[in-house]
Amino acid sequence: AQTVTQSQPEMSVQEAETVTLSCTYDTSESNYYLFWYKQPPSRQMILVIRQEAYKQQNATENRFSVNFQKAAKSFSLKISDSQLGDTAMYFCAFIVNYGQNFVFGPGTRLSVLP
Amino acid sequence: SQTIHQWPATLVQPVGSPLSLECTVEGTSNPNLYWYRQAAGRGLQLLFYSVGIGQISSEVPQNLSASRPQDRQFILSSKKLLLSDSGFYLCAWITSGNTIYFGEGSWLTVV
Repeated sequence: AQTVTQSQPEMSVQEAETVTLSCTYDTSESNYYLFWYKQPPSRQMILVIRQEAYKQQNATENRFSVNFQKAAKSFSLKISDSQLGDTAMYFCAFIVNYGQNFVFGPGTRLSVLP
Repeated sequence: SQTIHQWPATLVQPVGSPLSLECTVEGTSNPNLYWYRQAAGRGLQLLFYSVGIGQISSEVPQNLSASRPQDRQFILSSKKLLLSDSGFYLCAWITSGNTIYFGEGSWLTVV
């Protein structure tokens, strides 16, 4: 079965500091896509970053970057220079190539403290 | 551009009343469409997905049903709501680039 695990239900970080959210997944497929989604208090689901499994280079989007370790099936998200607006629930997810369904983790609630 | 909308944004319904949530996608054709539910403080639960008109797959047995009467329209329904149907409902679609995008969400409170 395909699963996503986020072992940190809640985290907090001081404003301007760096925080890393963990994610591990399990799939027997070799070609897939990994994602981090952010859900702020408004509940809108927002795409943060996307990684294609066949690419070794880690994806980056401004202050957000990932550490993708394919062999370990690990996909952590690093947020640099944390801002109050980063306070949200963060979901790790993946979909296999030509797949129909996403697999989501249970989420990590991140609080950025002033 | 491609967009997804769902409505209503918020509704309060009595137990036993019917439900209809609508979702439409613009700027694409034959999208894969999804309904998720999210209980308070919880993760996403996939309820239904559709790969085409009239094609519905149900992931969990429940009091809800879905229909896809048009290519870019996806409807979530119930004939008689239960208290346990309360939650936040999200419609979504997957792009050709294997990325999922979500609608704005609908808050349902069953009283």
